[in-house]
Amino acid sequence: SQQGEEDPQALSIQEGENATMNCSYKTSINNLQWYRQNSGRGLVHLILIRSNEREKHSGRLRVTLDTSKKSSSLLITASRAADTASYFCATDRGNTGKLIFGQGTTLQVKP
Amino acid sequence: DGGITQSPKYLFRKEGQNVTLSCEQNLNHDAMYWYRQDPGQGLRLIYYSQIVNDFQKGDIAEGYSVSREKKESFPLTVTSAQKNPTAFYLCASSMFGGPMEEEKLFFGSGTQLSVL
Repeated sequence: SQQGEEDPQALSIQEGENATMNCSYKTSINNLQWYRQNSGRGLVHLILIRSNEREKHSGRLRVTLDTSKKSSSLLITASRAADTASYFCATDRGNTGKLIFGQGTTLQVKP
Repeated sequence: DGGITQSPKYLFRKEGQNVTLSCEQNLNHDAMYWYRQDPGQGLRLIYYSQIVNDFQKGDIAEGYSVSREKKESFPLTVTSAQKNPTAFYLCASSMFGGPMEEEKLFFGSGTQLSVL
């Protein structure tokens, strides 16, 4: 079964607005990663946050992690049409190092 | 350009036929992975390899086989035993792939496999 569950499944916003996606997971983790996938393409790594970190920034991306609630959020600020893609969270499986991916949030940014 | 190359981009399989998906990387990464993605779904791990001549089953290995004879190459064969092979297949690599490694995955562009 999938470790991560993203919410919402789909999100549609206007260019310039902020987009927030959430990820919940079931078991303890060492780190959580976010990936982006353009339609029909491979995934691209966006950001990694460790279990002892609460917030991390990278450009227009802001990721938070709440280990007590087993949840993470990805915020994209000032969205652009080029941000249209699916976004996946991935968590490691304890000590195996292997990632479990959620089902993703599909983001549409309208120009 | 360094990266992961998957071929072909589209592949069609006839009933009872085995097909092989190619994955080559020039990143000098030790670990390589195969994932399956169904429409609107996340990725599920098929097989992974952390070193040449060694590989392990993932969550959905039945009906698939792999080999790792070279560090750069990790081909996936979809056998006739896989009754529902239609999916998007993604190959990925990471530097070491060991436990506790905080590694990001690098993905190829994928192969769409369909059944005729």
